Amino acid sequence: GESVGLHLPTLSVQEGDNSIINCAYSNSASDYFIWYKQESGKGPQFIIDIRSNMDKRQGQRVTVLLNKTVKHLSLQIAATQPGDSAVYFCAENGGDYKLSFGAGTTVTVRA
Amino acid sequence: DVKVTQSSRYLVKRTGEKVFLECVQDMDHENMFWYRQDPGLGLRLIYFSYDVKMKEKGDIPEGYSVSREKKERFSLILESASTNQTSMYLCASSGLAGVNEQFFGPGTRLTVL
Repeated sequence: GESVGLHLPTLSVQEGDNSIINCAYSNSASDYFIWYKQESGKGPQFIIDIRSNMDKRQGQRVTVLLNKTVKHLSLQIAATQPGDSAVYFCAENGGDYKLSFGAGTTVTVRA
Repeated sequence: DVKVTQSSRYLVKRTGEKVFLECVQDMDHENMFWYRQDPGLGLRLIYFSYDVKMKEKGDIPEGYSVSREKKERFSLILESASTNQTSMYLCASSGLAGVNEQFFGPGTRLTVL
């Protein structure tokens, strides 16, 4: 079946540095991608999304890049802060109204 | 702000018990979803519903059923709980047609002894 995956399960980042979280997807027909952040004890929260007719989208301190040629998605966080410590999930539309999620990357910010 | 609430944050049940997990959303969303979350496996879709009284199986429906009698409420039922159903259960909702952002509840951590 189709799957969405993250390259690394964990990422340790120095406070103030930029973070890059990667995600590979396998469904070339997917036309919608989304990043979620999940803090300990909470449900996932929306960070940013992108449709397949774009290759870059920026939010507040975050940028999502989409490379459809190699089926790769990344989330960049500028000037990482302690509050950015969380698990980050990428997801792609799995048909109908469904999203297919990757396994997640745990980001730890070092002071 | 969209609010998705789940009836319990923590639940402990015994093997063989019938378990009800309730989810309510207040944004008049058409679509509602139940996921389970396990370490290293991400979020896996159990069931979803795109309208009242409508339901569709997700990727792992075995051992679960759902009910959607009202638009705002989506219930997940474990007819006979088993230890391998110990997990974090997340409810989500989304509105409009097509694929859009899903809004998640805080989750219910279920332990089956």
